[in-house]
Amino acid sequence: AQTVTQSQPEMSVQEAETVTLSCTYDTSENNYYLFWYKQPPSRQMILVIRQEAYKQQNATENRFSVNFQKAAKSFSLKISDSQLGDTAMYFCAFTHNYQLIWGAGTKLIIKP
Amino acid sequence: NAGVMQNPRHLVRRRGQEARLRCSPVKGHSHVYWYRQLPEEGLKFMVYLQKENIIDESGMPKERFSAEFPKEGPSILRIQQVVRGDSAAYFCASSLEGSTNEKLFFGSGTQLSVL
Repeated sequence: AQTVTQSQPEMSVQEAETVTLSCTYDTSENNYYLFWYKQPPSRQMILVIRQEAYKQQNATENRFSVNFQKAAKSFSLKISDSQLGDTAMYFCAFTHNYQLIWGAGTKLIIKP
Repeated sequence: NAGVMQNPRHLVRRRGQEARLRCSPVKGHSHVYWYRQLPEEGLKFMVYLQKENIIDESGMPKERFSAEFPKEGPSILRIQQVVRGDSAAYFCASSLEGSTNEKLFFGSGTQLSVL
């Protein structure tokens, strides 16, 4: 079965700190793509970062980076120098055929 | 800079009524996906459509639910004879080419409440 587990329902950190959100997944496929999406209170899903499973190099996007461990099926998101605007739900997902398989999300609160 | 537009943003229906949810993709996008989100859960895939074709409806209940994406006009997700369990946020996403690594553009969703 294709599943995604985000073990941290909620996290909070002080502004400017670094925070890591965890994600593990299960798939029998060898080729797939992994994503982190952000859902602010406006509800619109916004792509934060994506990783191709056949690439060993971890993706980075400004303050956002991932730690991708394919053998362990782990895909954590690190947010450096966190900002108040980073407060949102964060979802981990991966591709399976035409679908994205999603985790239940982590609520991230950045405190001033 | 029109992104994915979904309407209505909120929809209230009584049990047994019909719900029609609309999605206008990003201009030029011909691939549309519908997802459902229950409280405290991630999104669950429902259906993938290209213009005038249903490509994958494996996540959509066989009864009461239907989707279309006509040649002209928005994509429509239709739920007949709604029940309380249909209450959820329904999200539409679109993409240009339909490839698996492609960025999806999401709308802000329609929150369906069934009384």
